[in-house]
Amino acid sequence: KAGVTQTPRYLIKTRGQQVTLSCSPISGHRSVSWYQQTPGQGLQFLFEYFSETQRNKGNFPGRFSGRQFSNSRSEMNVSTLELGDSALYLCASSPWGPLGNEQYFGPGTRLTVT
Amino acid sequence: AQSVAQPEDQVNVAEGNPLTVKCTYSVSGNPYLFWYVQYPNRGLQFLLKYITGDNLVKGSYGFEAEFNKSQTSFHLKKPSALVSDSALYFCAVRDPTTYSGAGSYQLTFGKGTKLSVIP
Repeated sequence: KAGVTQTPRYLIKTRGQQVTLSCSPISGHRSVSWYQQTPGQGLQFLFEYFSETQRNKGNFPGRFSGRQFSNSRSEMNVSTLELGDSALYLCASSPWGPLGNEQYFGPGTRLTVT
Repeated sequence: AQSVAQPEDQVNVAEGNPLTVKCTYSVSGNPYLFWYVQYPNRGLQFLLKYITGDNLVKGSYGFEAEFNKSQTSFHLKKPSALVSDSALYFCAVRDPTTYSGAGSYQLTFGKGTKLSVIP
């Protein structure tokens, strides 16, 4: 079974621009979460989607948004980019079911804001 | 709110020696605990988890972890380290009682511990 895929893998943007990152979960997985990884803050939860609905949201400004499509694929968008948004953005998927299920992570998208 | 602490930023161990990567947690209810490993320029790979039952859980690549409720710890262990084990290790917690309804898969991670296995 193919793993979680994320596109693009690398991205360079300029301050003030916006960016859209894409995530395709493992086939059959309906829950998708996004995390931001930085050297200073570590791994921080952004948001979680199930059945095209945002179920949970982390403590990030409104410039960060996401959505999920009917095929469970998800996108996240960051508007008005700031230098501090430079990070590895990780997508994770889980089959919907017991909360003991682990999340499976994609390779991430490395975003650099200049 | 839940939290995870990994007290060591870096752990160095000689190849063939046992290794331990420490993790302590804080949650209001019974925790679900996870260990993940990250290799350079890669995402996180799941190693093992504790949900309930036996306090010693076994996972991938010969790793195991011991859940200790009284010490709120979930240390990762391996009897004999390999050079290929060198990577960044993350402990994570999920509190299943935090959210109403069907709950959330959100994980709260520790800062990570860099493991270096010296040949």
